[in-house]
Amino acid sequence: DQQVKQNSPSLSVQEGRISILNCDYTNSMFDYFLWYKKYPAEGPTFLISISSIKDKNEDGRFTVFLNKSAKHLSLHIVPSQPGDSAVYFCAASAGNTPLVFGKGTRLSVIA
Amino acid sequence: EPEVTQTPSHQVTQMGQEVILRCVPISNHLYFYWYRQILGQKVEFLVSFYNNEISEKSEIFDDQFSVERPDGSNFTLKIRSTKLEDSAMYFCASSEWAGKNYGYTFGSGTRLTVV
Repeated sequence: DQQVKQNSPSLSVQEGRISILNCDYTNSMFDYFLWYKKYPAEGPTFLISISSIKDKNEDGRFTVFLNKSAKHLSLHIVPSQPGDSAVYFCAASAGNTPLVFGKGTRLSVIA
Repeated sequence: EPEVTQTPSHQVTQMGQEVILRCVPISNHLYFYWYRQILGQKVEFLVSFYNNEISEKSEIFDDQFSVERPDGSNFTLKIRSTKLEDSAMYFCASSEWAGKNYGYTFGSGTRLTVV
C-alpha cells in the first residue's frame, strides 16, 4: 500500500531552469510533509517541510506547495544548480507517527 | 554539525547468518528509528524506539528483527537469520522530539548483502 507516491522516477532539468518534483498521497490523516534529498552513499538529509495548515513554504531556492484537496504536494527548485542533482524523497506523517516515504525521484541538473 | 554514525558501511553475509547493524545517534536525541531501502524501492519504516522500548514497528519488523540500545550511545538492529530478501540499505535515524516538525537526522546507511 503506497501511501506516498512519487510517480516520476527521474527528471532532467537544465541549469538555471525550474525543477518541479511531484508527490501524491492517499492518507487523509497526514498532516505534515517533508522533502529529503539524498546523494549517493549518504543518508537522506532534511530539505524543507510544510504543515497541512499551510499551502506554501519557502526557503531560499526551495518552495514546497501543498494542495490538500488534491492530496498533492510539489517541490520547486529555482534556479536549479548542478549540485541539486540527487534523489529527492517526499515523506509524510500523521500526528507523531513515523515518517512514510515515497520511492524518490532522481533529479539530474544538466550544465 | 552533529551526525548519526552507522557501521559498517557494507556488510556481506551468508543466508541464515545473524547480522548486527550499529548506529550511534546524535547524543541529545531521544527517538531512534531504523528504515531500509531495497534497491529501486521506497525507504520503508522498520521500527521506532524511545525510552528503551519499541514505540512502533512495521509488518516488516517480524520476529527475525530486534533492536537494542545496550549502552546509552549505540542503537543496534539485529537480524537473527538473514534471508536473501533482507538485502537492502539500512538507515538509522534519530530525532530530538517525536514531533515531525524537527525532521529526522539520518546516518549514511549500511548496505547489507545477503548471499
